[in-house]
Amino acid sequence: GQNIDQPTEMTATEGAIVQINCTYQTSGFNGLFWYQQHAGEAPTFLSYNVLDGLEEKGRFSSFLSRSKGYSYLLLKELQMKDSASYLCAVLDSNYQLIWGAGTKLIIKP
Amino acid sequence: GAVVSQHPSRVICKSGTSVKIECRSLDFQATTMFWYRQFPKKSLMLMATSNEGSKATYEQGVEKDKFLINHASLTLSTLTVTSAHPEDSSFYICSARTGTSIETQYFGPGTRLLVL
Repeated sequence: GQNIDQPTEMTATEGAIVQINCTYQTSGFNGLFWYQQHAGEAPTFLSYNVLDGLEEKGRFSSFLSRSKGYSYLLLKELQMKDSASYLCAVLDSNYQLIWGAGTKLIIKP
Repeated sequence: GAVVSQHPSRVICKSGTSVKIECRSLDFQATTMFWYRQFPKKSLMLMATSNEGSKATYEQGVEKDKFLINHASLTLSTLTVTSAHPEDSSFYICSARTGTSIETQYFGPGTRLLVL
């Protein structure tokens, strides 16, 4: 079956760095997405990785290792507004998105 | 950038009535649209995939007669929840994909449905 695992909840301090991990087992792979979702809102796109390595975009970076079926989202200089759920999703061989359950990130002052 | 709108953003209805939710791609043509449902503190659950001009493909366990999907044009898809019941209360989100960028989905803002 297809499976995406990510921690349910994480807590970090304002100004610090946090890494949210995602492991996946899917039928085929056409890329991995990270989305941010605030409570009561739709997901917003953060990153897309299809090749191995690190993609940096401002305070957010995303890493992919296809051989390990592993990705992480790195958030630096955390701000209170970063409190949200972070969803990992993999595009499978049929170009369908397979979603993880999301990681709720709590930022404390 | 690509914008997807949904209407209404919030709806409250009585049990037994039908509710229609619209999803529009405002500045691009969406060859494929997706309808998701999300329960509180849970991830998105794909309900169906619709391609313009053809019947929607429903995921296992989703009743096609209960959740009617119409993708009449390249910019509009509708989801009708027929004979709604309280257990249909949820957050419904649509997303759209273009033919030229098949790896990217653009999400609408979501519709919160509450059935009394």
